[in-house]
This record gives sequence, structure tokens and C-alpha cells, in this order.
Amino acid sequence: GQSLEQPSEVTAVEGAIVQINCTYQTSGFYGLSWYQQHDGGAPTFLSYNGLDGLEETGRFSSFLSRSDSYGYLLLQELQMKDSASYFCAAHNYGQNFVFGPGTRLSVLP
Amino acid sequence: NAGVTQTPKFRVLKTGQSMTLLCAQDMNHEYMYWYRQDPGMGLRLIHYSVGEGTTAKGEVPDGYNVSRLKKQNFLLGLESAAPSQTSVYFCASSSGTSAYLQETQYFGPGTRLLVL
Repeated sequence: GQSLEQPSEVTAVEGAIVQINCTYQTSGFYGLSWYQQHDGGAPTFLSYNGLDGLEETGRFSSFLSRSDSYGYLLLQELQMKDSASYFCAAHNYGQNFVFGPGTRLSVLP
Repeated sequence: NAGVTQTPKFRVLKTGQSMTLLCAQDMNHEYMYWYRQDPGMGLRLIHYSVGEGTTAKGEVPDGYNVSRLKKQNFLLGLESAAPSQTSVYFCASSSGTSAYLQETQYFGPGTRLLVL
């Protein structure tokens, strides 16, 4: 089957750095995306890794290692507004996407 | 440019009733998707479409049907609603330019469905 695993919850303080890990087991994998979802809202795109290595987008960075079937999202200079759920999503051939269960990030003052 | 819109925003159904959820996008995207999200869980793909007139099954297709008669619209139908279909339904679209390029999905605001 296809599955992704993420920690269910992470807590950090304002200004800190937090890393959210994602391990995947899917068939036809070719990339990993990250999405942010605030309570009651729709998921919004954060980052995508189609190749191994680090992708940086402002305060957010994402990393992929295909050999380890592993990726992570790194959030720096945490702000209160970063409190949300974060989902990794595996891109598979045929435009099929599989989402992880999500990690709820709580940023404390 | 409205992006992805969904109709209705909220609906209550009785077991056995039918309904259609409408998704529309104005970005000329080829690919469209229907997901469901249950409380505290991730999104599960119900059906998707890689172009006008095409549809394909996702992870949890049972009890749902879809149609993509026009490129900009993707309809999700429930023929006989069941309480297990109580969920938030999200529609998304992506450009589908290449499998090897970044494929951002743009999501609609969601439809909250309660089946009694």
C-alpha cells in the first residue's frame, strides 16, 4: 500500500526553529510537497522537492532524500501565525497524490 | 480571478439522499481532484481527472461518482448518502504541465457535509 508518516504534534516557541519529518512508502514516487492548513481553512502550498536536497523558500525549507524515503519541512524564526497543521504529500506517476496524516504545530509566545 | 470555488459551502443530508458538489476553476488547469478530510486526519483522494472527459479513481472512491464534462468544472456525486460520508470535501486543481516539474495544487474553500 501507500502510506506517509508524520509526527502528530509539535510544539515550539516564537523565534525558534522546528523540523517536521515525513517518511513515505508509495509506488511511482517522483516528488514530495508540503502544505499548510489553518483550522477551518483550505490547504495552501508551501514547498516542493522533485530532486534530492534542500529547497529554500523564505523562512521555510524542505528536504528530500529518495534513498531514505524521507523528507522534512524546516520552519525558521517561528511566528504565532505559523500555528497550523502541516501535511506532506507524495506525488506519484499518473498525477496521483497521497497525503500524510498531518502534523499540528503549536507556536507558544 | 477566483481560483477554485466550491458549491455549496455547507449541506445537511439524510441517509439515502443524493447530492452533487460542484467545483469550478478559472486557471485553465488540466488536472482536478476531489479529496475528503475527516477530523484530525489528512486528505484522502476520492477521484481525479487529468483532462476534460477523463476521470480516475483515487484512494477512497466507493460511494462517489464524478464527471468532468467541461475543463473548468469537476462534479462529485453522492448517489445514496451514508453517515460515513460526513466529512469536509476539498476540490483542488493543478496545471499538469509536467510530471517532473513543481505541481502545485490549488484548493477550494471546502464543503462541509453532514449526513444524518
